[in-house]
Amino acid sequence: KAGVTQTPRYLIKTRGQQVTLSCSPISGHRSVSWYQQTPGQGLQFLFEYFSETQRNKGNFPGRFSGRQFSNSRSEMNVSTLELGDSALYLCASSLASAGNTIYFGEGSWLTVV
Amino acid sequence: ELKVEQNPLFLSMQEGKNYTIYCNYSTTSDRLYWYRQDPGKSLESLFVLLSNGAVKQEGRLMASLDTKARLSTLHITAAVHDLSATYFCAVDLQPGNTPLVFGKGTRLSVIA
Repeated sequence: KAGVTQTPRYLIKTRGQQVTLSCSPISGHRSVSWYQQTPGQGLQFLFEYFSETQRNKGNFPGRFSGRQFSNSRSEMNVSTLELGDSALYLCASSLASAGNTIYFGEGSWLTVV
Repeated sequence: ELKVEQNPLFLSMQEGKNYTIYCNYSTTSDRLYWYRQDPGKSLESLFVLLSNGAVKQEGRLMASLDTKARLSTLHITAAVHDLSATYFCAVDLQPGNTPLVFGKGTRLSVIA
């Protein structure tokens, strides 16, 4: 079956711009979460959505936001981009129950210049 | 605050040798995840350990979980070059599937 699909895969933005990243989870998965990966901070949780509701949120500024649609697809948005936002943004999906395998997409590489 | 510590962070090992990666975490959790990441790639799920004493094996990799000690190990047997990658352990921050708190990763290099 198809895996977690993220678009775009690579993008370059200028400081002050905003960006929207998209994630299509594995069919049947209702939980979608987002992580930021940087060399300095490692993998950090951004937020998690389940059935269109934000269930958890990480310790990121309000410039980072997300949403989930009725078909479980999710988007995250970063406004007023800063150089430090350059990172690999990973989307993950899973079934609802605890302890299920969490599958990650290929990620979106964001470079802010 | 849940902390997850892996060691070593860098590991260079010869082909054919055995080694263990350790993952310690700071609060009670019954669920621990191991992932592999190749350079420039995403995270590939290796193991999900769901209870104390859980042991799972896949090929040359074996993972175990001791919830009382808050410790998981990833044991590599007779390493081959294809195992070169970065390995992450992760723990649930709270009951439920996510979010995960990741260790900093162990960069493994298997050399001939």
